Amino acid sequence: AQSVTQLGSHVSVSEGALVLLRCNYSSSVPPYLFWYVQYPNQGLQLLLKYTSAATLVKGINGFEAEFKKSETSFHLTKPSAHMSDAAEYFCAVSSKTDSWGKLQFGAGTQVVVTP
Amino acid sequence: ETGVTQSPTHLIKTRGQQVTLRCSSQSGHNTVSWYQQALGQGPQFIFQYYREEENGRGNFPPRFSGLQFPNYSSELNVNALELDDSALYLCASSLGGGFMNTEAFFGQGTRLTVV
Repeated sequence: AQSVTQLGSHVSVSEGALVLLRCNYSSSVPPYLFWYVQYPNQGLQLLLKYTSAATLVKGINGFEAEFKKSETSFHLTKPSAHMSDAAEYFCAVSSKTDSWGKLQFGAGTQVVVTP
Repeated sequence: ETGVTQSPTHLIKTRGQQVTLRCSSQSGHNTVSWYQQALGQGPQFIFQYYREEENGRGNFPPRFSGLQFPNYSSELNVNALELDDSALYLCASSLGGGFMNTEAFFGQGTRLTVV
């Protein structure tokens, strides 16, 4: 069985500061990993995904994430926060043995950006 | 604009009633997945349809059922509604074969309130 843990349900960052959102997974086989963003009253938008190519993955809006197998982590970062980054962020996994891409999500991290 | 549309956007139902939610997948996509997102939680996988056949199911009771039509649009039906069914229901469409080579696009969701 696989699971996803996001550390911190709420994160507050100052505009221009580093954004760091933590995600750890539990799986017998390293899964595919994803980060999604959800703005209020909207669906989910894919930020980036790891599918066993490069361990450092660059996504949209200046976000990137690094897959660390030894730490079973896939933390999301952005060097400089913008006000528009205020949203909820979800880490998700998909089993490599299930090519149909059923996603298992973490509980989410709400990001607040202060001026 | 992802091209995945869900209807209705909001819905209020009474406990014990039945509800049908609809999803039009993005052009060219043949796979539709449904997720339930309770308030303050990450989305939970309900089931997936590929070319009109159910292709996997999460931990949801049989009163949650679905259909996929020849044009790959989909419906989610919930019978005997319970208060705990109140949630945002998300539909995601993709091209069959999983997430390794394709991206799943989410609709904006249907907010169901059961009173």
